[in-house]
Amino acid sequence: GAVVSQHPSWVICKSGTSVKIECRSLDFQATTMFWYRQFPKQSLMLMATSNEGSKATYEQGVEKDKFLINHASLTLSTLTVTSAHPEDSSFYICSARDGDLITEAFFGQGTRLTVV
Amino acid sequence: GQNIDQPTEMTATEGAIVQINCTYQTSGFNGLFWYQQHAGEAPTFLSYNVLDGLEEKGRFSSFLSRSKGYSYLLLKELQMKDSASYLCAVMDSNYQLIWGAGTKLIIKP
Repeated sequence: GAVVSQHPSWVICKSGTSVKIECRSLDFQATTMFWYRQFPKQSLMLMATSNEGSKATYEQGVEKDKFLINHASLTLSTLTVTSAHPEDSSFYICSARDGDLITEAFFGQGTRLTVV
Repeated sequence: GQNIDQPTEMTATEGAIVQINCTYQTSGFNGLFWYQQHAGEAPTFLSYNVLDGLEEKGRFSSFLSRSKGYSYLLLKELQMKDSASYLCAVMDSNYQLIWGAGTKLIIKP
C-alpha cells in the first residue's frame, strides 16, 4: 500500500510555544489529506480536511487560528499547533487517500504531543 | 445524526474465534472499512465492504448487511499479536469517513 510519513513521532514542548507536524505522502500524490486527533481510549476525531493549494476545511469546534494547516504541495501537509497548552496534549494522526474518492485511507505514524 | 456503534471491549482466548460487531446510521453509504490499531500506533487497513456479503482475507473476514446497517469483523485462530483496537468506519455520501470509537480486543493465553 501507499506510504504516508509523519514527523515527528513524539514531541514535548513548553506551554505557549508552537509545534509543527509534517505529513508526507511518499509514493503517491495526495490532493487531500486529513488531520485527526485521538485522546486515550477514544476514536479518531477529524479536525480538518487539507486540500492542496487551498484553505483547509475545519470541523466544527476546531479553532483554525490555533491549528494552522498548510498544504503547499501534493505530497506535503503541515499542522502547526500554535501557543500550545497542556490540554492540547494528544495523539495527532494524518491520513491521505490515493486518487479515487473511495479508497482506503493511509495513515501516518502519528505524533504524540505533550505540552508541559 | 451520524452514528457508529461497536462494543467498547472484548476478551477472547488465543486460538479461538471472535466476532466484533458494528452498527451504523449515516447520511449515505459508500462503503465500510475495518482498521486495526495497536496502542500508540496509527490505524492500519484491514478490509473494505460495499456490497452485502462476506469478504474473506486470511484469518480475517468482514461481513456487511446494508439493509440492516450492520457489519462484523471475524477473527479466526486468534494470536496474541491480534490484541489491539479494531475501528469500524463508514464512508458517507460526502465521501467522509465516520469513525466508531473502536473495540479493544484482549487476547488471553
